[in-house]
Amino acid sequence: QVQLVESGGGVVQPGGSLRLSCAASGFTFSSYGMHWVRQAPGKGLEWVAFIRYDGSNKYYADSVKGRFTISRDNSKNTLYLQMNSLRAEDTAVYYCAKGKGAAGLYYFDYWGQGTLVTVSS
Amino acid sequence: EIVMTQSPATLSVSPGERATLSCRAGQSVSINLAWYQYKPGQAPRLLIYGASTRATGIPARFSGSGSGTEFTLTISGLQSEDFAIYYCQQYSNWPPYTFGQGTKLEIK
Repeated sequence: QVQLVESGGGVVQPGGSLRLSCAASGFTFSSYGMHWVRQAPGKGLEWVAFIRYDGSNKYYADSVKGRFTISRDNSKNTLYLQMNSLRAEDTAVYYCAKGKGAAGLYYFDYWGQGTLVTVSS
Repeated sequence: EIVMTQSPATLSVSPGERATLSCRAGQSVSINLAWYQYKPGQAPRLLIYGASTRATGIPARFSGSGSGTEFTLTISGLQSEDFAIYYCQQYSNWPPYTFGQGTKLEIK
């Protein structure tokens, strides 16, 4: 069955960096686009970033553009999110999600359980 | 950016009854609309995509309808495990993908 397991969360000071990982199994990872979605405390879901199946294109929410970088290693079935210049408002549970769909229309058919990132001094 | 608006924010329904949740898009998203169920501490779960197609393994008591800007998620014969937060999400016009703010379905 499809499994997505995030790791790498923790407490970091404002301006610091953190790298999240998402280990995927149960499907052909190299065939699917992957996303990061976050949920801040008491808030709703916010899409963060998307990377195509082969890493050829990457897309970001305006709130993280220039600070976060999404990447993947298809040989390791792993998705990454490098987060730099972290701010208090980046505090959230970060989920990786598998993309599904066609012709550029993608929803998220499987999600991980999330990893908590806390940005605080 | 397409703004998604869900109503009501909280819905109180008794087990066994029907719940109707609404989602409105700021502009047409055709049928490119998904619904997710979220329980704190768990992975969000895809319920519906294409506005009305149930995802794999989703019980028939969950149904979706609508197109354009108005969408509905209906849960018939509510069971205890259905009390959760529900989000709609458009994937018609991205980036960004956008979610509604959620509807909390609670036991009456």
